[in-house]
Amino acid sequence: EAGVTQFPSHSVIEKGQTVTLRCDPISGHDNLYWYRRVMGKEIKFLLHFVKESKQDESGMPNNRFLAERTGGTYSTLKVQPAELEDSGVYFCASSPDRIGYTFGSGTRLTVV
Amino acid sequence: SQQGEEDPQALSIQEGENATMNCSYKTSINNLQWYRQNSGRGLVHLILIRSNEREKHSGRLRVTLDTSKKSSSLLITASRAADTASYFCATASLGTDKLIFGTGTRLQVFP
Repeated sequence: EAGVTQFPSHSVIEKGQTVTLRCDPISGHDNLYWYRRVMGKEIKFLLHFVKESKQDESGMPNNRFLAERTGGTYSTLKVQPAELEDSGVYFCASSPDRIGYTFGSGTRLTVV
Repeated sequence: SQQGEEDPQALSIQEGENATMNCSYKTSINNLQWYRQNSGRGLVHLILIRSNEREKHSGRLRVTLDTSKKSSSLLITASRAADTASYFCATASLGTDKLIFGTGTRLQVFP
């Protein structure tokens, strides 16, 4: 069984640019989550999809972040425009049952 | 803040020794999970313990949960150099799916 796939694995962009992160969950997992760990801080929840619907987006930091999950398959997280404080590692996870989670390897985003 | 806290922040031991990490949390939970993150890699799920369980084993891992003290511990027995990683606890609170992660413990196992 393929795991959760995220790309790119690394991204370096300039402040003000746009970046789109992608997550492919495990096939058949209706639940998809985004988390991030900004430098030196704890891993924090961003949002949760059930299929294509946003179940909980209480962790999204501001309106520069837009997450989508068209068709209930893969998800994208767009940051526009990126700021320095957005640097960190963005993790995606999927779950069939909201109990067991499988995380991807993460995307390390560096905004310079 | 609902953030969990872990101690120690960093732990260095020799191969063969046991490593114990502790986690405290603040809210009522459904379950508590432990994850490992190797440098530059993703989070790997290690073990889940439900709120009605007190102890759980998986290979060289032993997890305890004390809901009255809102704390958990992870014991890695007979550690190996390959166990070197950061370890995080994460709680799933009642009525929500979101995991709340602890601050993590960086474990270094020297050969």
